[in-house]
Amino acid sequence: GQNIDQPTEMTATEGAIVQINCTYQTSGFNGLFWYQQHAGEAPTFLSYNVLDGLEEKGRFSSFLSRSKGYSYLLLKELQMKDSASYLCAATYNQGGKLIFGQGTELSVKP
Amino acid sequence: DTGVSQNPRHKITKRGQNVTFRCDPISEHNRLYWYRQTLGQGPEFLTYFQNEAQLEKSRLLSDRFSAERPKGSFSTLEIQRTEQGDSAMYLCAILHRENEKLFFGSGTQLSVL
Repeated sequence: GQNIDQPTEMTATEGAIVQINCTYQTSGFNGLFWYQQHAGEAPTFLSYNVLDGLEEKGRFSSFLSRSKGYSYLLLKELQMKDSASYLCAATYNQGGKLIFGQGTELSVKP
Repeated sequence: DTGVSQNPRHKITKRGQNVTFRCDPISEHNRLYWYRQTLGQGPEFLTYFQNEAQLEKSRLLSDRFSAERPKGSFSTLEIQRTEQGDSAMYLCAILHRENEKLFFGSGTQLSVL
């Protein structure tokens, strides 16, 4: 299978920076997605990385290393509304489906 | 707006009953997916369609589950003889044709009593 691993939960302080890591199996790998999901709602798209490197989009950035099977999501200037689950998902050659990790529950505290 | 509409938002049913969920893609897309998500877990892949063709089904999709996509437009997911373990959020998603990114509908929360 294509195990997607990410920490179960993290806690950070308002205004700080937090990095959420994700590892995946590299065989047949295509690209890496990050989604944000608030309780009781559907996942919302944050980023999509295919090439190595860092992609920045406002307060959120996503990094990919294809050779290491590693990605991270970086959240800057944390706000209380950033408290949510962050889902890492990978696509592979054998189909267009996304394989999701279990999600990282981020709690932002004052 | 993600370009995907799902109905109903919530569904409560008794064990043994049949339920059907509907997904209406609005935006131009290549593929339509169904996922299931339980509390504290990431979405689990169920099946996907390219136009009206169902190209892949997960082993999670037992004989009680069936998905259709007549004419390659809207899709339905039916669960027959529901069990309490079927309680979950059922998510529909589309792969946008232009940017190859996956966007989800608001989901249908199923509770089987």
